Amino acid sequence: KQEVTQIPAALSVPEGENLVLNCSFTDSAIYNLQWFRQDPGKGLTSLLLIQSSQREQTSGRLNASLDKSSGRSTLYIAASQPGDSATYLCAPQGANNLFFGTGTRLTVIP
Amino acid sequence: GAGVSQSPSNKVTEKGKDVELRCDPISGHTALYWYRQSLGQGLEFLIYFQGNSAPDKSGLPSDRFSAERTGGSVSTLTIQRTQQEDSAVYLCASSLRSRGTGELFFGEGSRLTVL
Repeated sequence: KQEVTQIPAALSVPEGENLVLNCSFTDSAIYNLQWFRQDPGKGLTSLLLIQSSQREQTSGRLNASLDKSSGRSTLYIAASQPGDSATYLCAPQGANNLFFGTGTRLTVIP
Repeated sequence: GAGVSQSPSNKVTEKGKDVELRCDPISGHTALYWYRQSLGQGLEFLIYFQGNSAPDKSGLPSDRFSAERTGGSVSTLTIQRTQQEDSAVYLCASSLRSRGTGELFFGEGSRLTVL
């Protein structure tokens, strides 16, 4: 069974800092990997989708990389803002579903 | 619709009662997924639909849980004889494609509280 680990579990940074969130997974036989954010009491918002053949994907201040063979992905957030405060989840995708860890809870301090 | 819609957003029920949770996926999305998120836990996969059929029911925790999908669109998750441990947020997602090549879009969830 796919196991997903996200480090750190929680992170607090001052506004304006660049930061990296780490994700590792045990089974490299994935179709793609998706990053989400979840605000308290809300559903998941898709941030980026990286296909298994890709190395990275960018959207605005976000850049996600994927090293499928080593079972790792990182999410880089540039020039963090208080509105970025949320829980970030990475989810490698198998044949029929996504696998989730418990995420990284990010707090950006104004 | 514009996004995945779930109802009810909140449901409080008494132990032993049956509940139905509804998911209306994004129009045209053939794949539909149900997940459960318990307090402080990660998302737990429940069931996956491709069209009206469910190739993967492996995540359903017991035979009290069932789900169906009709017309390749709306899905209903039914929990019979609810227990307190069923309290969680039930999330639905849909995708344009199946078999791991599509981006999943989630609804806001249905928060179930069993007293």
